[in-house]
Parts: sequence; structure tokens; C-alpha cells
Amino acid sequence: EAQVTQNPRYLITVTGKKLTVTCSQNMNHEYMSWYRQDPGLGLRQIYYSMNVEVTDKGDVPEGYKVSRKEKRNFPLILESPSPNQTSLYFCASSSGEGAFYGYTFGSGTRLTVV
Amino acid sequence: GIQVEQSPPDLILQEGANSTLRCNFSDSVNNLQWFHQNPWGQLINLFYIPSGTKQNGRLSATTVATERYSLLYISSSQTTDSGVYFCALRGGNDYKLSFGAGTTVTVRA
Repeated sequence: EAQVTQNPRYLITVTGKKLTVTCSQNMNHEYMSWYRQDPGLGLRQIYYSMNVEVTDKGDVPEGYKVSRKEKRNFPLILESPSPNQTSLYFCASSSGEGAFYGYTFGSGTRLTVV
Repeated sequence: GIQVEQSPPDLILQEGANSTLRCNFSDSVNNLQWFHQNPWGQLINLFYIPSGTKQNGRLSATTVATERYSLLYISSSQTTDSGVYFCALRGGNDYKLSFGAGTTVTVRA
């Protein structure tokens, strides 16, 4: 089944403790991205990647890192999480440059930083 | 960037009713999708519809790209249709998918 898999689904952590949210897709998509969803602010893009070793900032990249060493994986790294990073996170992927193809989203990761 | 406006913000329906959700956008687009976010937070892709009309069961969508709007129709609504419906699109050379604020639909039995 074609899908984007995020792990974990739920995570509670403490301020400053490094964490990684994994994202993997099995559709051989070139384009991957991360979004966060917050009440009243909607979904905002954090980072995106056009292909292996190619990443760029979205609208809200501060406090996050990403890497794209393999085509299928696009982990989101919080080096020193803070409470304002409490949010619902989504990974998405698309074929080609994403221009003419739909995006597939993962099931989401609900992160709480205390 | 491209602006996305959805209406209405909230919609309460009786089971069996029909409804229309609207998405207006400020510029030409080359990708437009409708998503349903269920009560568990999952984003379910409903339609990829940069132009034209598509139907899937009780749902259908129409995008008139030249007039910069898209419509999502829900017919014979069911309680499982409850959730937030998002219009998301990208235009030009921007690889970001811009989301509207969503329409929250509540279907009552």
C-alpha cells in the first residue's frame, strides 16, 4: 500500500531533550516536506526537500533540522525542544516536483513538550 | 504568497442534508487538493483537482481555475463526514502547499 509513515504517533518529552520524528514513504517520491498544525494558525510548512541531499526552509524552520540522505526518508530533528514546539506535525510527499501531482500526508505526530 | 480563503468557517448539518464548501484563491494554481481531517487528526486526501470536476461517491468537487475558486459538494451527509475540510494549493514556482483555514463540518444524527 502506497503510504507515508510517521513515527511516533504521540510523544511527550521535556524541554531540551533532543528528539527525532521519522518519516518514510514507499512511493519513490522526490519531494517531501514537514508541516506543523496549530489552532488558529492552520498548517505551516517547516522544511521541504526536492530530492536526496537537497533541503530548504519553509515558513517556520526555527528550532528544527532535517536531513535527506535517502530518497524514502525525511526525519525531522528537534535539537533542543521547547514548549512552543508543542504541535501536530505532518510529513508529506509528492512525485516529481509536486507541481502536477497530489500530495500524500502521513498520519501525524502529536508532540507535547513540557 | 498565494492566499487561500475558505467559507463558511463552520457548518452544522442534519444527517442526509447536502452542502457546498467553497475555496477562493488569489492567483493561478497548478495543484489544488481537498482534504478531510478526521476527529483523530488524520488528513485524508479527497480530491486532486487543479481544474475540472471529479466525483467520488457522495463527494464531488469542481475547480474553475480561470475564476479562482473550487467547490466541494457533500451529498446525503453522514455523521462520519464530520471533521475539518481543507483546501490546499500551490501556484507558480512555489513548492509549498498553502492551506486554507478550513471549514469545520458537524453532521448531527
